[in-house]
Amino acid sequence: KQEVTQIPAALSVPEGENLVLNCSFTDSAIYNLQWFRQDPGKGLTSLLLIQSSQREQTSGRLNASLDKSSGRSTLYIAASQPGDSATYLCAVGSDYTGANSKLTFGKGITLSVRP
Amino acid sequence: GAGVSQSPSNKVTEKGKDVELRCDPISGHTALYWYRQRLGQGLEFLIYFQGNSAPDKSGLPSDRFSAERTGESVSTLTIQRTQQEDSAVYLCASSLGVYRGETQYFGPGTRLLVL
Repeated sequence: KQEVTQIPAALSVPEGENLVLNCSFTDSAIYNLQWFRQDPGKGLTSLLLIQSSQREQTSGRLNASLDKSSGRSTLYIAASQPGDSATYLCAVGSDYTGANSKLTFGKGITLSVRP
Repeated sequence: GAGVSQSPSNKVTEKGKDVELRCDPISGHTALYWYRQRLGQGLEFLIYFQGNSAPDKSGLPSDRFSAERTGESVSTLTIQRTQQEDSAVYLCASSLGVYRGETQYFGPGTRLLVL
C-alpha cells in the first residue's frame, strides 16, 4: 500500500527566503506525482505535475523534482512571499492495474511566510 | 471556463440522517473523482467514474456510502444514516480523461458536520 509522508507538518519562514518542501513515498511504482496548494476554505490547485519519466518541472518561482528510486520529491519555492502561505500537498499516482489517477495524498505542509 | 463546482458548500446534519452531496465537473471531462479530507488527515480516495461507470469503488468506507453519475456530468455522493465520523470535507475532482498523467482539477469541497 502506497504511503506518502510530508515532514514537517508546518513551516514558518520570513519573506524572501528560498525554501524546500519534502515529500517521500514508499512504493516507487508510480506514474506521476503532483504538488497541490490548498488555501483555507478552498479546493486544491494543481501546481506542478511530474510524470514518472521526468526528473523535474518548473513553473515561475516553483520547481519540483522527482527521484523515483529513492521515493522522494521536493518542491522548491524561490523568494517566498506572504501570498505563498497555504498548505502544500504532495500526491502520488500509483501504478494500479486498471486504475487511472487514484492519487494517494500526504497530509500536507502548512507554510506561513512572514512579511 | 467554469471550474468544478460542488454543493452545498456547507452541510450540518444530525446523526442518522441521510445527506446528498453534488458535484458538477468541468464540461468535457470524462473522469470524476471523490475524495474525503477529515480533520488532521490527508485526502482519502473514495471512488472514481469514467463516464457514468465506476470502475474503482475501493475507497468507499462502508455500504452507507454510494455515488452515482449521470452521463459525463453531475455526480452525487450519498451518505446514509450519517455518523459523527463522517464529518469531513468532501472534495470532487475531474480530469479530461483517464489516461495516466491527466491533471485533476478540484472543486471547493463540501464541509459536512454530523452532530
